[in-house]
Amino acid sequence: AQKITQTQPGMFVQEKEAVTLDCTYDTSDPSYGLFWYKQPSSGEMIFLIYQGSYDQQNATEGRYSLNFQKARKSANLVISASQLGDSAMYFCAMREVNNAGNMLTFGGGTRLMVKP
Amino acid sequence: DAGVIQSPRHEVTEMGQEVTLRCKPISGHDYLFWYRQTMMRGLELLIYFNNNVPIDDSGMPEDRFSAKMPNASFSTLKIQPSEPRDSAVYFCASSPTSGAMWGEQFFGPGTRLTVL
Repeated sequence: AQKITQTQPGMFVQEKEAVTLDCTYDTSDPSYGLFWYKQPSSGEMIFLIYQGSYDQQNATEGRYSLNFQKARKSANLVISASQLGDSAMYFCAMREVNNAGNMLTFGGGTRLMVKP
Repeated sequence: DAGVIQSPRHEVTEMGQEVTLRCKPISGHDYLFWYRQTMMRGLELLIYFNNNVPIDDSGMPEDRFSAKMPNASFSTLKIQPSEPRDSAVYFCASSPTSGAMWGEQFFGPGTRLTVL
């Protein structure tokens, strides 16, 4: 079974609008962390935001926020006021505490395209 | 503080040749990861090290691939002999053992490998 599922291979959003990128995960570990990375066309992987499974509040970092619904096992990324520079691939990833090392399991990614 | 450093950034070689990719992790990070990214397979973990010791190499595709970490500041990924299907972007990432966002991996810029 897929541990991280990103069901939207590609999405369009109008500049200045908000967009939600979906991520669902599968784990039986009570302690885990969820990460979002951005990969622009230049290729580098850029860390965006982190959510711990025991965090009481949803994580926020500037225009990025994470809509964490633990019971539904979803960790959707919300980007507010989209900018042209937000056009990129976005990857959701998970680290389980029972994981022997600091391994991250990545989803397949969502390509976001921001329209002017 | 310098991030993860990879070299070369681009490599073009002919089938059958040996290829060596290099990585310098962030100083003080205990974990080092090698990933491969292709359109078909997405982001795949090949191998990771903890304190210079290989922990899990189950993602290494076959015996043509080998990785070493002779010290805390240097790792190599070698492909011998290379084949066209090895063409991909290879990322190195490092991670600290602990911290508020344990598990966050800091990625290098990647090496784009083309095997003709």
